[in-house]
Amino acid sequence: NAGVTQTPKFRILKIGQSMTLQCTQDMNHNYMYWYRQDPGMGLKLIYYSVGAGITDKGEVPNGYNVSRSTTEDFPLRLELAAPSQTSVYFCASSEPVMDTIYFGEGSWLTVV
Amino acid sequence: AQTVTQSQPEMSVQEAETVTLSCTYDTSENNYYLFWYKQPPSRQMILVIRQEAYKQQNATENRFSVNFQKAAKSFSLKISDSQLGDTAMYFCAFMKLTDNNNDMRFGAGTRLTVKP
Repeated sequence: NAGVTQTPKFRILKIGQSMTLQCTQDMNHNYMYWYRQDPGMGLKLIYYSVGAGITDKGEVPNGYNVSRSTTEDFPLRLELAAPSQTSVYFCASSEPVMDTIYFGEGSWLTVV
Repeated sequence: AQTVTQSQPEMSVQEAETVTLSCTYDTSENNYYLFWYKQPPSRQMILVIRQEAYKQQNATENRFSVNFQKAAKSFSLKISDSQLGDTAMYFCAFMKLTDNNNDMRFGAGTRLTVKP
Protein backbone atom coordinates (compact mmCIF):
# COMPACT_ATOMS: atom_id res chain seq x y z
CA ASN A 1 0.00 0.00 0.00
CA ALA A 2 1.88 3.07 -1.25
CA GLY A 3 -0.67 5.70 -0.13
CA VAL A 4 0.88 9.17 -0.43
CA THR A 5 4.46 9.29 -1.63
CA GLN A 6 6.64 12.38 -1.36
CA THR A 7 10.09 12.97 -2.79
CA PRO A 8 12.71 13.97 -1.86
CA LYS A 9 12.77 13.21 1.88
CA PHE A 10 15.65 15.59 2.56
CA ARG A 11 17.04 18.51 0.62
CA ILE A 12 19.35 21.43 1.24
CA LEU A 13 18.86 24.44 -0.99
CA LYS A 14 20.85 27.62 -1.37
CA ILE A 15 19.05 30.94 -1.15
CA GLY A 16 17.57 31.81 -4.52
CA GLN A 17 17.49 28.26 -5.87
CA SER A 18 14.29 26.63 -7.03
CA MET A 19 13.01 23.12 -6.62
CA THR A 20 9.92 20.95 -6.87
CA LEU A 21 8.60 18.64 -4.18
CA GLN A 22 6.84 15.73 -5.80
CA CYS A 23 3.70 14.15 -4.39
CA THR A 24 1.68 11.28 -5.76
CA GLN A 25 -1.18 9.25 -4.33
CA ASP A 26 -2.61 5.95 -5.53
CA MET A 27 -5.96 6.06 -3.75
CA ASN A 28 -7.83 8.02 -6.43
CA HIS A 29 -8.57 10.78 -3.94
CA ASN A 30 -9.96 14.02 -5.30
CA TYR A 31 -8.62 16.23 -2.54
CA MET A 32 -4.92 16.88 -2.13
CA TYR A 33 -3.03 19.28 0.13
CA TRP A 34 0.37 20.68 0.87
CA TYR A 35 1.17 21.65 4.45
CA ARG A 36 4.28 22.93 6.12
CA GLN A 37 5.14 22.34 9.75
CA ASP A 38 7.66 24.50 11.56
CA PRO A 39 9.14 23.28 14.88
CA GLY A 40 6.57 23.39 17.69
CA MET A 41 3.92 24.69 15.36
CA GLY A 42 0.85 23.19 13.81
CA LEU A 43 0.41 22.29 10.21
CA LYS A 44 -0.16 25.28 7.95
CA LEU A 45 -1.93 24.83 4.65
CA ILE A 46 0.01 26.10 1.65
CA TYR A 47 -2.21 25.03 -1.24
CA TYR A 48 -4.96 22.54 -1.82
CA SER A 49 -6.78 21.00 -4.73
CA VAL A 50 -10.28 19.55 -4.96
CA GLY A 51 -9.65 17.83 -8.28
CA ALA A 52 -7.52 17.76 -11.41
CA GLY A 53 -7.16 21.22 -12.88
CA ILE A 54 -8.36 23.00 -9.71
CA THR A 55 -6.07 24.54 -7.10
CA ASP A 56 -6.59 27.08 -4.34
CA LYS A 57 -4.42 29.02 -1.94
CA GLY A 58 -4.29 28.07 1.70
CA GLU A 59 -3.01 30.04 4.67
CA VAL A 60 0.63 30.51 3.57
CA PRO A 61 0.88 30.36 -0.26
CA ASN A 62 3.51 33.05 -0.85
CA GLY A 63 6.69 31.74 -2.44
CA TYR A 64 5.04 28.55 -3.67
CA ASN A 65 3.19 27.30 -6.71
CA VAL A 66 1.28 24.11 -7.43
CA SER A 67 -0.32 22.35 -10.33
CA ARG A 68 -2.76 19.45 -10.56
CA SER A 69 -2.72 18.05 -14.07
CA THR A 70 -3.75 14.55 -12.93
CA THR A 71 -5.70 13.11 -10.02
CA GLU A 72 -2.58 11.33 -8.76
CA ASP A 73 0.04 14.09 -8.77
CA PHE A 74 0.26 17.37 -6.90
CA PRO A 75 3.76 18.87 -7.11
CA LEU A 76 4.80 21.87 -5.03
CA ARG A 77 7.20 24.34 -6.60
CA LEU A 78 9.46 26.63 -4.57
CA GLU A 79 10.74 29.60 -6.52
CA LEU A 80 13.67 31.66 -5.23
CA ALA A 81 14.09 29.74 -1.99
CA ALA A 82 14.41 31.79 1.20
CA PRO A 83 15.54 30.79 4.72
CA SER A 84 11.96 31.30 5.92
CA GLN A 85 10.98 28.31 3.80
CA THR A 86 13.10 25.96 5.92
CA SER A 87 10.48 23.56 7.21
CA VAL A 88 9.02 20.10 6.97
CA TYR A 89 6.56 19.76 4.11
CA PHE A 90 3.69 17.29 4.12
CA CYS A 91 1.55 16.27 1.21
CA ALA A 92 -1.82 14.74 1.98
CA SER A 93 -4.92 13.46 0.28
CA SER A 94 -8.47 12.66 1.28
CA GLU A 95 -11.98 12.16 0.10
CA PRO A 96 -14.39 15.09 0.54
CA VAL A 97 -15.90 13.73 3.75
CA MET A 98 -12.43 14.04 5.33
CA ASP A 99 -12.91 11.16 7.73
CA THR A 100 -9.32 10.19 7.14
CA ILE A 101 -6.52 12.31 5.76
CA TYR A 102 -3.58 10.36 4.39
CA PHE A 103 -0.26 12.09 4.85
CA GLY A 104 3.05 11.44 3.19
CA GLU A 105 6.15 10.90 5.31
CA GLY A 106 7.30 14.49 4.97
CA SER A 107 10.08 16.31 3.17
CA TRP A 108 12.70 18.05 5.30
CA LEU A 109 13.87 21.19 3.48
CA THR A 110 16.68 23.45 4.65
CA VAL A 111 17.47 26.72 2.88
CA VAL A 112 20.93 28.12 3.62
CA ALA B 1 -7.58 34.45 10.41
CA GLN B 2 -8.31 31.25 12.22
CA THR B 3 -5.77 29.85 14.69
CA VAL B 4 -5.81 26.67 16.70
CA THR B 5 -3.83 26.30 19.92
CA GLN B 6 -2.95 23.09 21.72
CA SER B 7 -1.12 24.06 24.88
CA GLN B 8 0.00 20.57 25.91
CA PRO B 9 2.90 19.32 23.75
CA GLU B 10 3.03 15.99 25.60
CA MET B 11 0.80 14.07 27.98
CA SER B 12 0.78 10.62 29.50
CA VAL B 13 -1.89 8.52 31.14
CA GLN B 14 -2.09 5.11 32.75
CA GLU B 15 -3.94 2.42 30.88
CA ALA B 16 -7.67 2.36 31.75
CA GLU B 17 -7.62 5.90 33.14
CA THR B 18 -9.14 9.06 31.65
CA VAL B 19 -7.24 11.90 30.01
CA THR B 20 -8.33 15.26 28.61
CA LEU B 21 -6.52 17.05 25.79
CA SER B 22 -7.03 20.80 25.48
CA CYS B 23 -7.68 22.87 22.38
CA THR B 24 -8.65 26.49 21.91
CA TYR B 25 -9.26 28.35 18.69
CA ASP B 26 -9.77 31.86 17.47
CA THR B 27 -12.27 32.78 14.80
CA SER B 28 -14.85 35.38 13.89
CA GLU B 29 -16.90 32.79 12.03
CA ASN B 30 -20.18 31.51 13.42
CA ASN B 31 -20.46 28.31 11.40
CA TYR B 32 -17.58 25.88 11.36
CA TYR B 33 -16.41 22.36 12.05
CA LEU B 34 -14.01 21.24 14.74
CA PHE B 35 -12.10 17.98 14.56
CA TRP B 36 -9.79 15.81 16.58
CA TYR B 37 -7.46 13.67 14.52
CA LYS B 38 -5.18 10.88 15.72
CA GLN B 39 -1.85 10.39 13.99
CA PRO B 40 -0.06 7.11 14.74
CA PRO B 41 3.50 6.50 13.47
CA SER B 42 2.05 5.43 10.12
CA ARG B 43 1.40 9.16 9.48
CA GLN B 44 -2.24 8.62 8.66
CA MET B 45 -4.47 11.25 10.20
CA ILE B 46 -7.49 9.36 11.45
CA LEU B 47 -10.62 11.24 12.37
CA VAL B 48 -11.47 10.65 16.01
CA ILE B 49 -14.43 12.95 16.42
CA ARG B 50 -16.12 15.86 14.66
CA GLN B 51 -18.28 18.67 16.05
CA GLU B 52 -20.45 21.08 14.08
CA ALA B 53 -20.45 24.49 15.74
CA TYR B 54 -24.20 24.93 15.33
CA LYS B 55 -24.85 21.83 17.46
CA GLN B 56 -24.94 22.49 21.16
CA GLN B 57 -24.75 18.84 22.12
CA ASN B 58 -21.22 17.56 22.63
CA ALA B 59 -20.16 14.87 20.17
CA THR B 60 -19.29 11.40 21.46
CA GLU B 61 -17.76 8.37 19.77
CA ASN B 62 -17.45 5.37 22.05
CA ARG B 63 -14.61 6.19 24.51
CA PHE B 64 -14.03 9.62 22.99
CA SER B 65 -16.05 12.70 23.84
CA VAL B 66 -15.61 16.43 23.55
CA ASN B 67 -16.40 19.40 25.73
CA PHE B 68 -17.34 22.10 23.22
CA GLN B 69 -17.62 25.57 24.72
CA LYS B 70 -18.46 27.86 21.79
CA ALA B 71 -18.41 31.11 23.72
CA ALA B 72 -15.05 30.28 25.23
CA LYS B 73 -13.80 28.87 21.89
CA SER B 74 -12.67 25.71 23.60
CA PHE B 75 -12.82 22.17 22.25
CA SER B 76 -11.25 19.58 24.58
CA LEU B 77 -11.08 15.84 23.93
CA LYS B 78 -11.70 13.33 26.70
CA ILE B 79 -10.48 9.79 26.28
CA SER B 80 -12.00 7.35 28.75
CA ASP B 81 -10.63 3.91 29.61
CA SER B 82 -7.37 4.69 27.80
CA GLN B 83 -5.87 1.85 25.81
CA LEU B 84 -2.29 1.27 24.67
CA GLY B 85 -3.45 1.72 21.08
CA ASP B 86 -4.45 5.29 21.89
CA THR B 87 -0.76 6.25 21.98
CA ALA B 88 -0.32 8.76 19.14
CA MET B 89 -0.15 12.42 18.21
CA TYR B 90 -3.51 14.14 18.50
CA PHE B 91 -4.31 17.18 16.41
CA CYS B 92 -7.16 19.58 16.94
CA ALA B 93 -8.38 21.19 13.70
CA PHE B 94 -10.79 23.89 12.56
CA MET B 95 -12.54 24.31 9.25
CA LYS B 96 -14.95 27.03 8.12
CA LEU B 97 -18.33 25.87 6.93
CA THR B 98 -18.38 27.46 3.49
CA ASP B 99 -18.76 26.06 0.00
CA ASN B 100 -15.66 24.55 -1.55
CA ASN B 101 -13.52 25.58 1.36
CA ASN B 102 -11.13 22.91 2.56
CA ASP B 103 -8.79 25.24 4.39
CA MET B 104 -8.36 23.17 7.53
CA ARG B 105 -6.25 24.71 10.29
CA PHE B 106 -4.40 22.40 12.67
CA GLY B 107 -2.97 22.92 16.12
CA ALA B 108 0.62 21.94 16.91
CA GLY B 109 -0.46 18.59 18.29
CA THR B 110 -0.30 16.77 21.62
CA ARG B 111 1.77 13.62 21.93
CA LEU B 112 -0.17 11.19 24.12
CA THR B 113 1.50 8.16 25.68
CA VAL B 114 -0.61 5.50 27.34
CA LYS B 115 1.45 3.60 29.91
CA PRO B 116 0.75 -0.02 30.83
